[in-house]
Amino acid sequence: QLQLQESGPGLVKPSETLSLTCSVSGDSTSNSYYYWGWIRQPPGKGLEWIGSIYYTGSTYYNPSLESRVTISVGTSKDQFSLALSFVTAADTAVYFCAKTLGYSDYTSPFDNWGQGTMVTVSS
Amino acid sequence: SYELTQPLSVSVALGQTARITCGGSNIATKNVHWYQQKPGQAPVLVIYRDVNRPSGIPERFSGSNSGNTATLTISRAQAGDEADYYCQVWDSGTVFGTGTKVTVL
Repeated sequence: QLQLQESGPGLVKPSETLSLTCSVSGDSTSNSYYYWGWIRQPPGKGLEWIGSIYYTGSTYYNPSLESRVTISVGTSKDQFSLALSFVTAADTAVYFCAKTLGYSDYTSPFDNWGQGTMVTVSS
Repeated sequence: SYELTQPLSVSVALGQTARITCGGSNIATKNVHWYQQKPGQAPVLVIYRDVNRPSGIPERFSGSNSGNTATLTISRAQAGDEADYYCQVWDSGTVFGTGTKVTVL
């Protein structure tokens, strides 16, 4: 049974870089059937896709965040990461990592999600 | 950028049918997916590619997609169906709808 778990600081200062890791158990980020993604949800608001990555390292980013986002796959093959630079209070949100349905298709929906981790941007 | 519009809220009587719409330009040409999210939890995929149910999702959940509107239908609504529901498509990236809060009366 595949499981995802986000980890990282719960508090980040404005203008700094938010860094989160998603640990994958029960499968591997090198599985060619899946894409791995990050989605966030500000308190009381809707879902916003941040970006996705394939095991080859190919990435797709939300155009509104692209200039500040880097998603990478860890060398251990059981982790992938998110870095969001120059954060402001508007980046305060619950951050989810997720896996796509297995069709080797970046347009596939996310069928497996982590529980989410709250990140607050504040000095 | 592509926009998906959903009603803010939908109410349904216990045991009746709820329909949640998702409006987008020529959305019928896209694959629409639907998620259910309960408070404090991660979203759960309930419909993918317009009409397909993942394993474990009750048959009471169904989807359709035509013209400029996709619809998620919840038949025989139960108290446990109370949640926020989001539609999603791919258009130069993953796009989520605005979300609909479903209340079961």
